[in-house]
Amino acid sequence: QSVLTQPPSASGTPGQRVTISCSGSSSNIGSNYVYWYQQLPGTAPKLLISRNNQRPSGVPDRFSGSKSGTSASLAISGLRSEDEADYYCATWDDSLNGRVFGGGTKLTVL
Amino acid sequence: EVQLVESGGGLVQPGGSLRLSCAASGFTFSDYEMNWVRQAPGKGLEWVSYISSGGSTIYYADSVKGRFTISRDNAKKSLYLQMNSLRAEDTAVYYCARAWGYWGQGTLVTVSS
Repeated sequence: QSVLTQPPSASGTPGQRVTISCSGSSSNIGSNYVYWYQQLPGTAPKLLISRNNQRPSGVPDRFSGSKSGTSASLAISGLRSEDEADYYCATWDDSLNGRVFGGGTKLTVL
Repeated sequence: EVQLVESGGGLVQPGGSLRLSCAASGFTFSDYEMNWVRQAPGKGLEWVSYISSGGSTIYYADSVKGRFTISRDNAKKSLYLQMNSLRAEDTAVYYCARAWGYWGQGTLVTVSS
């Protein structure tokens, strides 16, 4: 059981906009930055969104992040087949004194 | 170019020990906090341990506390994870990660008799 809650799956057709949610609590998302990672099959996770809504260099502007209270979300617009991957949210938890991850969301491009 | 290369994984019997290493290059290693994160086969990501840039602050996940030890050698630009009393549930790909950003390619640890 993950500390952060994500839907296990999401899907969309090419060109669509999809949103992946991440729900936490006051000790984690409520008081710390949220990060999003993309993991393509058989590869290491790659940082997609830093500090709630910052895109690292090289990440397309089709990806955006937001945070409100104890929840965060990742939005992908103009969905492409290469976006098919697992997506994870992460943050620090002040009560656990550790990094916490969501359970991951498998995105399927139909 | 930032590079993190893990090594030391392999097959070990339950109760055994293993030491993972992570060699860093392409950045000033001593400036960054480091983490170990693992992923069991077919499962999600699980944070294992954190060490501050100078090594003075260390945290562990409850699942490994008392069994695993994280350390670093800034002169050698290397991060380590000493894993003792290994259990079947420790079977996973272990990644080293620089702060919240770059990750290595991972090294597989299999605990089985």
